[in-house]
Amino acid sequence: EAGVAQSPRYKIIEKRQSVAFWCNPISGHATLYWYQQILGQGPKLLIQFQNNGVVDDSQLPKDRFSAERLKGVDSTLKIQPAKLEDSAVYLCASSLGQGFYNSPLHFGNGTRLTVT
Amino acid sequence: GENVEQHPSTLSVQEGDSAVIKCTYSDSASNYFPWYKQELGKRPQLIIDIRSNVGEKKDQRIAVTLNKTAKHFSLHITETQPEDSAVYFCAATYLSLGYALNFGKGTSLLVTP
Repeated sequence: EAGVAQSPRYKIIEKRQSVAFWCNPISGHATLYWYQQILGQGPKLLIQFQNNGVVDDSQLPKDRFSAERLKGVDSTLKIQPAKLEDSAVYLCASSLGQGFYNSPLHFGNGTRLTVT
Repeated sequence: GENVEQHPSTLSVQEGDSAVIKCTYSDSASNYFPWYKQELGKRPQLIIDIRSNVGEKKDQRIAVTLNKTAKHFSLHITETQPEDSAVYFCAATYLSLGYALNFGKGTSLLVTP
């Protein structure tokens, strides 16, 4: 089975610029997650979708971050404007189950963002 | 706060010894507890998981134990090998996150030959 696809692999931008990341989950996985992993830390949930609806975005900095999953498959995460502290790896993950009936998360390779 | 606490942050063992990593969680509704291994520059990969209705699970050299009353769970690696060297993350589902995974800060395991 094909894994979670993410692009780009790396991105370098200056502060106050905008950036967007793309994710294609494993086929048939209804639940999609975006996590932020700062160097030396564990992944932190930004947003969770089930199909094209948002389940949780309580930790998403909504003044600068936005995400969508319009057709319930691919997803994009956008940062506008970027700050230095946004430098991190942005991991997309998907799972077959959702909520209480959860199942293992499968992660993509991530996008490493450097903000200068 | 709603955190998953993980200890130790670094662990160095000699090849063949055992390694134990411990985590505690705060959400009594948590029902799924996976462990991920992340090698440098790579994505986290699931190595073992356990659900709340099970107290222990083993897969070859890896085992996980869960104590729901105390809200803690542990990863045990026996007969460690140099290729076990990586960062290990515990996680627990949190109701406040829509049952998404809340991760610990990680344990950097070094296995020396």
